[in-house]
Amino acid sequence: QVQLQESGPGLVKPSETLSLTCTVSGGSISTDYWSWIRQPPGKGLEWIGYIDYSGNSKYNPSLESRVTISIDTSKNQFSLKLSSGTAADTAVYYCARPSMGPAFDIWGQGTMVTVSS
Amino acid sequence: QSALTQPPSASGSPGQSVTISCTGTSSDVGGYNYVSWYQQHPGKAPKLMIYEVSKRPSGVPDRFSGSKSDNTASLTVSGLQAEDEADYYCNSYAGSNNYVVFGGGTKLTVL
Repeated sequence: QVQLQESGPGLVKPSETLSLTCTVSGGSISTDYWSWIRQPPGKGLEWIGYIDYSGNSKYNPSLESRVTISIDTSKNQFSLKLSSGTAADTAVYYCARPSMGPAFDIWGQGTMVTVSS
Repeated sequence: QSALTQPPSASGSPGQSVTISCTGTSSDVGGYNYVSWYQQHPGKAPKLMIYEVSKRPSGVPDRFSGSKSDNTASLTVSGLQAEDEADYYCNSYAGSNNYVVFGGGTKLTVL
Protein backbone atom coordinates (compact mmCIF):
# COMPACT_ATOMS: atom_id res chain seq x y z
CA GLN A 1 0.00 0.00 0.00
CA VAL A 2 1.04 3.61 -0.49
CA GLN A 3 3.29 5.05 2.21
CA LEU A 4 4.62 8.58 2.68
CA GLN A 5 7.83 9.71 4.36
CA GLU A 6 8.86 13.28 5.07
CA SER A 7 12.49 14.37 5.16
CA GLY A 8 14.39 17.61 5.62
CA PRO A 9 16.19 19.82 8.16
CA GLY A 10 14.72 19.93 11.64
CA LEU A 11 16.08 23.41 12.35
CA VAL A 12 15.73 26.51 10.20
CA LYS A 13 16.98 30.00 11.02
CA PRO A 14 14.52 32.91 11.06
CA SER A 15 14.05 34.58 7.65
CA GLU A 16 15.39 31.48 5.87
CA THR A 17 13.45 29.02 3.72
CA LEU A 18 12.02 25.82 5.16
CA SER A 19 12.41 22.95 2.69
CA LEU A 20 10.89 19.47 3.02
CA THR A 21 10.48 16.48 0.72
CA CYS A 22 7.90 13.71 0.82
CA THR A 23 8.77 10.37 -0.76
CA VAL A 24 5.90 8.21 -2.01
CA SER A 25 6.45 4.45 -1.89
CA GLY A 26 4.23 1.51 -2.77
CA GLY A 27 2.52 3.38 -5.57
CA SER A 28 2.94 5.98 -8.28
CA ILE A 29 2.87 9.67 -7.57
CA SER A 30 1.45 10.22 -11.03
CA THR A 31 -2.11 9.25 -10.21
CA ASP A 32 -3.22 11.41 -7.33
CA TYR A 33 -3.16 14.74 -5.55
CA TRP A 34 -0.65 15.37 -2.76
CA SER A 35 -0.77 17.78 0.16
CA TRP A 36 1.20 19.36 2.98
CA ILE A 37 -0.40 19.96 6.38
CA ARG A 38 1.20 21.32 9.53
CA GLN A 39 0.51 21.29 13.26
CA PRO A 40 2.17 23.74 15.65
CA PRO A 41 3.02 22.26 19.06
CA GLY A 42 -0.13 21.76 21.09
CA LYS A 43 -2.33 23.23 18.37
CA GLY A 44 -4.59 22.12 15.55
CA LEU A 45 -4.06 21.16 11.93
CA GLU A 46 -3.53 23.68 9.12
CA TRP A 47 -3.71 22.80 5.43
CA ILE A 48 -0.77 24.33 3.52
CA GLY A 49 -1.47 23.33 -0.06
CA TYR A 50 -1.69 20.59 -2.67
CA ILE A 51 -0.21 19.64 -6.00
CA ASP A 52 -1.39 17.20 -8.62
CA TYR A 53 0.63 14.88 -10.84
CA SER A 54 0.63 17.50 -13.61
CA GLY A 55 2.16 20.12 -11.34
CA ASN A 56 -1.01 22.14 -10.79
CA SER A 57 -1.02 23.53 -7.26
CA LYS A 58 -3.32 25.30 -4.82
CA TYR A 59 -2.28 27.00 -1.60
CA ASN A 60 -3.84 28.18 1.64
CA PRO A 61 -4.54 31.89 1.03
CA SER A 62 -2.93 32.77 4.36
CA LEU A 63 0.38 31.24 3.25
CA GLU A 64 0.21 31.64 -0.50
CA SER A 65 2.78 34.43 -0.76
CA ARG A 66 5.46 32.27 0.90
CA VAL A 67 4.67 28.72 -0.27
CA THR A 68 5.82 26.68 -3.23
CA ILE A 69 4.94 23.00 -3.69
CA SER A 70 6.62 21.10 -6.50
CA ILE A 71 6.59 17.53 -7.77
CA ASP A 72 9.26 15.22 -9.25
CA THR A 73 7.53 12.25 -10.81
CA SER A 74 10.86 10.62 -11.76
CA LYS A 75 11.75 10.35 -8.07
CA ASN A 76 8.19 9.78 -6.80
CA GLN A 77 8.62 12.82 -4.56
CA PHE A 78 6.94 16.13 -3.92
CA SER A 79 8.40 19.04 -1.99
CA LEU A 80 7.49 22.05 0.13
CA LYS A 81 9.30 25.36 0.33
CA LEU A 82 8.15 27.99 2.83
CA SER A 83 10.11 31.22 2.64
CA SER A 84 10.81 33.91 5.25
CA GLY A 85 10.46 31.54 8.17
CA THR A 86 9.42 32.80 11.59
CA ALA A 87 8.83 31.17 14.95
CA ALA A 88 5.17 30.85 13.96
CA ASP A 89 6.21 28.30 11.32
CA THR A 90 7.54 25.95 14.00
CA ALA A 91 5.39 22.84 13.65
CA VAL A 92 5.17 19.18 12.77
CA TYR A 93 4.84 19.03 9.01
CA TYR A 94 2.89 16.18 7.44
CA CYS A 95 2.59 15.13 3.85
CA ALA A 96 -0.73 13.50 3.05
CA ARG A 97 -2.85 12.22 0.19
CA PRO A 98 -6.30 13.75 -0.28
CA SER A 99 -8.88 11.48 -1.85
CA MET A 100 -12.66 11.41 -1.99
CA GLY A 101 -12.59 15.18 -1.90
CA PRO A 102 -10.45 16.73 0.82
CA ALA A 103 -10.36 13.59 2.95
CA PHE A 104 -6.74 12.81 3.75
CA ASP A 105 -6.57 9.02 3.85
CA ILE A 106 -2.82 8.49 3.89
CA TRP A 107 -0.38 10.46 6.06
CA GLY A 108 3.35 10.48 6.60
CA GLN A 109 4.63 10.12 10.15
CA GLY A 110 5.37 13.85 10.31
CA THR A 111 8.59 15.76 10.80
CA MET A 112 9.22 18.46 13.39
CA VAL A 113 10.66 21.71 12.09
CA THR A 114 11.81 24.41 14.47
CA VAL A 115 12.47 27.96 13.30
CA SER A 116 15.03 29.44 15.67
CA SER A 117 18.43 31.06 15.65
CA GLN B 1 -8.52 30.96 15.16
CA SER B 2 -9.69 27.89 13.25
CA ALA B 3 -12.20 28.15 10.44
CA LEU B 4 -14.42 25.41 11.90
CA THR B 5 -15.52 25.47 15.55
CA GLN B 6 -15.21 22.40 17.74
CA PRO B 7 -15.63 22.11 21.52
CA PRO B 8 -12.18 21.86 23.12
CA SER B 9 -13.13 18.82 25.16
CA ALA B 10 -15.63 16.00 25.46
CA SER B 11 -15.85 13.00 27.74
CA GLY B 12 -17.77 9.84 28.46
CA SER B 13 -17.56 6.61 30.38
CA PRO B 14 -16.77 3.27 28.77
CA GLY B 15 -19.77 1.93 26.91
CA GLN B 16 -21.45 5.31 26.63
CA SER B 17 -21.89 7.44 23.51
CA VAL B 18 -20.42 10.87 22.92
CA THR B 19 -21.03 13.36 20.12
CA ILE B 20 -18.55 15.99 18.94
CA SER B 21 -19.79 18.94 16.90
CA CYS B 22 -18.08 20.87 14.11
CA THR B 23 -19.68 24.18 13.16
CA GLY B 24 -18.88 26.10 10.01
CA THR B 25 -20.78 28.21 7.52
CA SER B 26 -22.72 27.82 4.30
CA SER B 27 -19.38 28.31 2.50
CA ASP B 28 -17.91 25.12 3.88
CA VAL B 29 -19.77 22.58 6.05
CA GLY B 30 -23.22 23.70 4.97
CA GLY B 31 -22.37 24.02 1.31
CA TYR B 32 -20.82 20.63 0.56
CA ASN B 33 -21.06 17.00 1.64
CA TYR B 34 -17.30 16.84 2.07
CA VAL B 35 -16.81 16.74 5.83
CA SER B 36 -14.16 14.42 7.23
CA TRP B 37 -13.14 13.42 10.75
CA TYR B 38 -9.71 12.40 12.03
CA GLN B 39 -8.49 10.69 15.19
CA GLN B 40 -5.06 11.63 16.50
CA HIS B 41 -3.29 9.91 19.36
CA PRO B 42 -0.37 11.74 21.04
CA GLY B 43 2.75 11.80 18.89
CA LYS B 44 1.00 10.11 15.98
CA ALA B 45 -0.28 11.22 12.61
CA PRO B 46 -4.02 11.79 12.23
CA LYS B 47 -6.12 8.85 11.03
CA LEU B 48 -9.13 9.26 8.76
CA MET B 49 -12.27 8.00 10.52
CA ILE B 50 -15.13 9.49 8.48
CA TYR B 51 -15.31 11.00 5.00
CA GLU B 52 -18.08 12.57 2.92
CA VAL B 53 -20.02 13.31 6.15
CA SER B 54 -20.92 9.76 7.08
CA LYS B 55 -18.82 7.18 5.22
CA ARG B 56 -16.30 5.00 7.03
CA PRO B 57 -13.01 3.88 5.47
CA SER B 58 -12.30 0.19 5.55
CA GLY B 59 -11.16 -0.91 9.00
CA VAL B 60 -12.85 1.85 11.00
CA PRO B 61 -15.27 0.37 13.55
CA ASP B 62 -18.96 1.05 13.01
CA ARG B 63 -19.01 2.58 16.50
CA PHE B 64 -17.91 5.74 14.70
CA SER B 65 -20.60 7.57 12.75
CA GLY B 66 -21.00 10.98 11.17
CA SER B 67 -23.87 13.26 10.27
CA LYS B 68 -24.59 16.82 9.24
CA SER B 69 -27.38 19.33 9.71
CA ASP B 70 -27.16 22.73 8.07
CA ASN B 71 -23.76 24.22 8.98
CA THR B 72 -22.92 21.73 11.73
CA ALA B 73 -21.40 18.30 11.33
CA SER B 74 -21.21 15.75 14.13
CA LEU B 75 -19.12 12.73 14.99
CA THR B 76 -20.69 10.17 17.33
CA VAL B 77 -18.63 7.52 19.06
CA SER B 78 -20.82 4.76 20.49
CA GLY B 79 -19.76 2.11 22.98
CA LEU B 80 -16.78 4.16 24.13
CA GLN B 81 -13.58 2.24 24.65
CA ALA B 82 -10.35 3.29 26.34
CA GLU B 83 -8.52 3.40 23.01
CA ASP B 84 -10.95 6.02 21.71
CA GLU B 85 -9.29 8.58 23.98
CA ALA B 86 -7.60 10.94 21.52
CA ASP B 87 -7.90 14.29 19.77
CA TYR B 88 -10.51 14.51 17.01
CA TYR B 89 -10.44 16.99 14.14
CA CYS B 90 -13.00 17.77 11.49
CA ASN B 91 -12.35 19.28 8.10
CA SER B 92 -14.49 20.45 5.24
CA TYR B 93 -14.14 21.40 1.61
CA ALA B 94 -14.45 25.18 1.43
CA GLY B 95 -14.72 25.92 -2.27
CA SER B 96 -12.15 26.47 -4.97
CA ASN B 97 -10.46 29.43 -3.23
CA ASN B 98 -9.88 28.02 0.24
CA TYR B 99 -10.07 24.32 -0.69
CA VAL B 100 -10.08 22.83 2.83
CA VAL B 101 -10.43 24.11 6.38
CA PHE B 102 -9.93 22.31 9.69
CA GLY B 103 -11.55 22.57 13.08
CA GLY B 104 -9.52 23.38 16.17
CA GLY B 105 -9.80 19.87 17.56
CA THR B 106 -11.61 18.19 20.46
CA LYS B 107 -9.87 16.20 23.16
CA LEU B 108 -11.99 13.15 23.96
CA THR B 109 -11.46 11.69 27.42
CA VAL B 110 -12.75 8.26 28.37
CA LEU B 111 -13.48 8.46 32.08
